[in-house]
Amino acid sequence: QSVLTQPPSVSAAPGQNVTISCSGSSSNIGSNYVSWYQQFPGTAPKLLIYDNNKRPSGIPDRFSGSKSGTSATLGITGLQTGDEADYHCVTWDNSMTGVFGTGTTVTVL
Amino acid sequence: EVQLVESGGGLVQPGGSLRLSCAASGFSVSTNYMTWVRQAPGQGLEWVSSLYTGGTTYYADSVKDRFTISRDNSKNTLFLQMNSLTAEDTAVYYCARDKTAFFYYGLDVWGQGTTVTVSS
Repeated sequence: QSVLTQPPSVSAAPGQNVTISCSGSSSNIGSNYVSWYQQFPGTAPKLLIYDNNKRPSGIPDRFSGSKSGTSATLGITGLQTGDEADYHCVTWDNSMTGVFGTGTTVTVL
Repeated sequence: EVQLVESGGGLVQPGGSLRLSCAASGFSVSTNYMTWVRQAPGQGLEWVSSLYTGGTTYYADSVKDRFTISRDNSKNTLFLQMNSLTAEDTAVYYCARDKTAFFYYGLDVWGQGTTVTVSS
């Protein structure tokens, strides 16, 4: 089954901005909605972005999402030490399966 | 409070079976789209199965014909029956809620996870 491709890691200094890419295909990202999750070690994932670019209540506007064609991007502005975590994208595939990204570890230098 | 609590994980021998439970509170599993996700040690998240409100079920190829997702509306609980387990099924298993189909609103409520270890 399909897997969405994310960079294994990204890093930046506090206050800087980072972006995390999520690459798929026309049958998944190209046709469906992307959501993003933040996960700290040993804890359950937390919804950050849904419907490609919408934030649930309580999620700071430092987090943003976008989608273009068969790729999606999560942006984090004003990076904070508390943002150090794993980030995952997910979408549905037209083969009627869910598809997660490979996951990205964000490190604050 | 909207909450999901998983249980039923443990150590099982290869070829064995296990049934995971996911008790919901604050909402009804019967009117939401429910999903199981797993995470092998040191790995990313993997979608396992989804159960839609009308009863339609979906499975990852890796678990098809071995795992069965179901729900008990009277107990407001989601289940995952896992048979013919192998070492590759070792993971933390999470249940999660999707308020609509196809992850449109994303998986907005997650349980704390239950650990399944398949080993002799």
